[in-house]
Amino acid sequence: DTGVSQNPRHKITKRGQNVTFRCDPISEHNRLYWYRQTLGQGPEFLTYFQNEAQLEKSRLLSDRFSAERPKGSFSTLEIQRTEQGDSAMYLCASSLVGTPMDPNTEAFFGQGTRLTVV
Amino acid sequence: GESVGLHLPTLSVQEGDNSIINCAYSNSASDYFIWYKQESGKGPQFIIDIRSNMDKRQGQRVTVLLNKTVKHLSLQIAATQPGDSAVYFCAERTQSGGSYIPTFGRGTSLIVHP
Repeated sequence: DTGVSQNPRHKITKRGQNVTFRCDPISEHNRLYWYRQTLGQGPEFLTYFQNEAQLEKSRLLSDRFSAERPKGSFSTLEIQRTEQGDSAMYLCASSLVGTPMDPNTEAFFGQGTRLTVV
Repeated sequence: GESVGLHLPTLSVQEGDNSIINCAYSNSASDYFIWYKQESGKGPQFIIDIRSNMDKRQGQRVTVLLNKTVKHLSLQIAATQPGDSAVYFCAERTQSGGSYIPTFGRGTSLIVHP
């Protein structure tokens, strides 16, 4: 499978614990996005990387959240001191920066990691 | 604030009928739009995209129409099949400081009855 891969698929954790999710993008894609999705809502942007640089962060990304993409390939999203409100599906997507003539390329999503904080 | 939204949260159709899913956007700076399909427990799957310099784009059984005058986007699915049952999202992409970040609306649930 050469699509976007996310691990784990499901995570149940106790409130206050730290969790880390991993995303492996499509290999030649240089952009990587993290989104959060709650039931009945569309995905909400959290942050994105171009290569290893984190270029933008949403206000949704509190200081308990941190994302890294150390070698410009896979990325991790860590949530510290989890709260029940963090329960959601965390989606990763990747895309390829287009040429100046065609800058828009679609983002391909992984299957997501469903986090449940109890 | 500016947002992407959908007119109907649920659309029920009979197998074989054509489906039309609508989406309104308010950010006039958006220059690229994408439709995604999301099945239960899965990530969004790209269906079709359209740039703001186009009015219509066709794919296999799907057509996207863009009306920039009224900031409206629609997805037409021909001969809808049970496998088309899913939640459909429109997403707009707006350039912000050189970044293109897809912004999603709430979604429409399409239910196809056999």
